[in-house]
Amino acid sequence: AAGVIQSPRHLIKEKRETATLKCYPIPRHDTVYWYQQGPGQDPQFLISFYEKMQSDKGSIPDRFSAQQFSDYHSELNMSSLELGDSALYFCASSLSGYEQYFGPGTRLTVT
Amino acid sequence: GQQVMQIPQYQHVQEGEDFTTYCNSSTTLSNIQWYKQRPGGHPVFLIQLVKSGEVKKQKRLTFQFGEAKKNSSLHITATQTTDVGTYFCAGISGTYKYIFGTGTRLKVLA
Repeated sequence: AAGVIQSPRHLIKEKRETATLKCYPIPRHDTVYWYQQGPGQDPQFLISFYEKMQSDKGSIPDRFSAQQFSDYHSELNMSSLELGDSALYFCASSLSGYEQYFGPGTRLTVT
Repeated sequence: GQQVMQIPQYQHVQEGEDFTTYCNSSTTLSNIQWYKQRPGGHPVFLIQLVKSGEVKKQKRLTFQFGEAKKNSSLHITATQTTDVGTYFCAGISGTYKYIFGTGTRLKVLA
């Protein structure tokens, strides 16, 4: 069965650089979520989209933005990266807000 | 803002012992989900509870939603080494916004 695809799986950036993370949800899923998980921490909700429209926002810094495209894939854009942005970024998709299927995550390291 | 706390933070058990993690929300939840995350892996959905007082079972796992819909528990009977991981509850806050609990990290000693 198709799963959530995230790319890249690993990303190393320097401070003040920008990064773009991509997420391809499970086909026919209408909701996409982005989470940030620091080491030993719980996933922190960043933002969600329902049918390509932004639905809810969480603790997403102003330096970050996200969008969902007509083909349902989503991108998380991160600018002016800081050391504290180093984390695992998960994308998840669901059908109408039911169980969330998580992707394998993108490990971002900011040096 | 809404907070979802879990206790204990860590639990070490001998294989075959039972394990319980408790989830408490600062606000009433319309539903609650449970996830398991293995070390180095991603969260995997276990179950969703919706009704007040609801109890659901999955083999050795029993999930309960409190009457006031502010707390939940996950009980594992006779733990196995395959149960190792971090168990998270997640409560909905908004339309499509889930607040994850702080997690309980379970280690099972063979």
